Amino acid sequence: DIQMTQSPPTLSASVGDRVTITCRASQSISNWLAWYQQKPGKAPKVLIYKASSLERGVPSRFSGSGSGTEFTLTISSLQPDDFATYYCQHYTAYSGTFGQGTKVEIK
Amino acid sequence: QVRLVESGGGLVKPGGSLRLSCEASGFTFSDYYMSWIRQVPGKGLEWISYVSTRNTYTGYAESVKGRFTISRDDAKNSLYLQMNSLTAEDTALYYCARDSHTGLGCWGQGTLVTVSS
Repeated sequence: DIQMTQSPPTLSASVGDRVTITCRASQSISNWLAWYQQKPGKAPKVLIYKASSLERGVPSRFSGSGSGTEFTLTISSLQPDDFATYYCQHYTAYSGTFGQGTKVEIK
Repeated sequence: QVRLVESGGGLVKPGGSLRLSCEASGFTFSDYYMSWIRQVPGKGLEWISYVSTRNTYTGYAESVKGRFTISRDDAKNSLYLQMNSLTAEDTALYYCARDSHTGLGCWGQGTLVTVSS
């Protein structure tokens, strides 16, 4: 089974900071990767799909990159609404392994 | 408005069974694969099962294989998860989600399953 490893587990940052979260796959997954944002008490929300495609309605400060085994989610200028937990997910037609999550906290 | 509403969660004893339901509205349910994902409170997300359109294919995480069964009824716009032989490790919030080439684009609010004696 493909394993997804996210880093860091926790990230402390300030409003306006550029933030990068990394997700590594245990083997090549092409670009079948999505990023989700989850706030406390809420269901996750997809931000990025196919590694770099921005979901409709998601602010352009969010971007994704990578292919194969290394992927990144970047928030270009962190906003107060962005403090949340972020998950990567390798998705296919028949499975959907998540990374362990990265909690973005206020510094 | 696209909406998914889970139900059926509750308190069950170890070794017991439970059937979760997810009712869909606002989109053509039969056109989409559907998945179940769970989350232990305060912990990460775990994908546990998917079903293809027309119930043709299903898939399960190793942690639930042989104990859980996913199914769908397109006439009722509903997704189900039959959970048997439950253990304390199955205690979690269970979400259903709409699956597509753009990932899990729509989620329900979740239904809580607690396995305890």
